[in-house]
Amino acid sequence: DPKIIQKPKYLVAVTGSEKILICEQYLGHNAMYWYRQSAKKPLEFMFSYSYQKLMDNQTASSRFQPQSSKKNHLDLQITALKPDDSATYFCASSQEGTDTEVFFGKGTRLTVV
Amino acid sequence: GDQVKQSPSALSLQEGTNSALRCNFSIATTTVQWFLQNPRGSLMNLFYLVPGTKENGRLKSTFNSKESYSTLHIRDAQLEDSGTYFCALNNNRIFFGDGTQLVVKP
Repeated sequence: DPKIIQKPKYLVAVTGSEKILICEQYLGHNAMYWYRQSAKKPLEFMFSYSYQKLMDNQTASSRFQPQSSKKNHLDLQITALKPDDSATYFCASSQEGTDTEVFFGKGTRLTVV
Repeated sequence: GDQVKQSPSALSLQEGTNSALRCNFSIATTTVQWFLQNPRGSLMNLFYLVPGTKENGRLKSTFNSKESYSTLHIRDAQLEDSGTYFCALNNNRIFFGDGTQLVVKP
């Protein structure tokens, strides 16, 4: 059973629209993260949250907004979508703190047309 | 990234052979993780290491914190070992290496 659930698995969006990527983890972790991976590139850090509070943000654009309605949820809202936003978005979680083991969801592959 | 350097960037192995991948770290860390991203894109946890060595089947990983490097040894490579191997450290943000793309050929 997957312990980190990302929905949807695939998503096609029109330029200029808004989408929300869902992430739920059932590992009892209190730190959650978002990463982006463009085609054949390494994972790029976007956000980290701890106890539902933003800890680190490396995304320049305010079009990307994490939303944490529950402690095991960290959704990612993306507004005014652009073709360059096309990528696979991975959610991850760990216990809070440095040097803890991190687990990843299977990703949402977003294509903006 | 700059904090984690992986080598080689790409590797082709004949089925049944052995090889080693390496990570060098430029920031201090007390743990390291190794992941395999399979051709479908899923990231699988291979190892989570404190300084020392762990073994799991045909895979063995060593982490030397004093010299800031980690290695992943693959023994008797199989076709299903193909994919991209990433090492990473968690310093409140997970720093990934750029990965080693491994292709195992029959």
